[in-house]
Amino acid sequence: AQSVTQPDIHITVSEGASLELRCNYSYGATPYLFWYVQSPGQGLQLLLKYFSGDTLVQGIKGFEAEFKRSQSSFNLRKPSVHWSDAAEYFCAVGARGSQGNLIFGKGTKLSVKP
Amino acid sequence: DGGITQSPKYLFRKEGQNVTLSCEQNLNHDAMYWYRQDPGQGLRLIYYSQIVNDFQKGDIAEGYSVSREKKESFPLTVTSAQKNPTAFYLCASRDRGFYGYTFGSGTRLTVV
Repeated sequence: AQSVTQPDIHITVSEGASLELRCNYSYGATPYLFWYVQSPGQGLQLLLKYFSGDTLVQGIKGFEAEFKRSQSSFNLRKPSVHWSDAAEYFCAVGARGSQGNLIFGKGTKLSVKP
Repeated sequence: DGGITQSPKYLFRKEGQNVTLSCEQNLNHDAMYWYRQDPGQGLRLIYYSQIVNDFQKGDIAEGYSVSREKKESFPLTVTSAQKNPTAFYLCASRDRGFYGYTFGSGTRLTVV
């Protein structure tokens, strides 16, 4: 069965420090991969997506993610975190040709220390 | 601007009452989704619809109902059979060619 695991429920980083949020998926073929961000009381906003090609993808707000097929991972990174990055981050996987339904991880809450 | 509108943003319901959450999109997207979000549980799929007049149950459909009479609209009714309806509800849509979702800003439902 398809699944997405975000191993870290809550991460705290200092402002200006680098960030890596982990995402592992279980899937039989190359999936479509997404990262979304959610501020408190708001909907989810798409940060970036991977469909094919270059395995390092750039997104909005200075985020990037790298698809590693051998590790079934799609980790999200940012070189220098800003206080406004404090939010909850969701990884999602979609199957090609599966009617497009996404499976979401349970999310990682990011706190930023001043 | 195109997008998804969920209304109301906050909703209070007395126990035993049905309540309907609105979701409207002007993106011309084919598919629409309803998710429930509880702290620490991520997003759980309630119902989804790929085309007008057709919808499927998700993982937690019990106590909920939907309709899809128009492409733009996908209202969710939380019935009195839903035992624990207090939650944050998110609506999303997807076009035919893109496998990512566009989300609304959510409705927080509280049972009082």
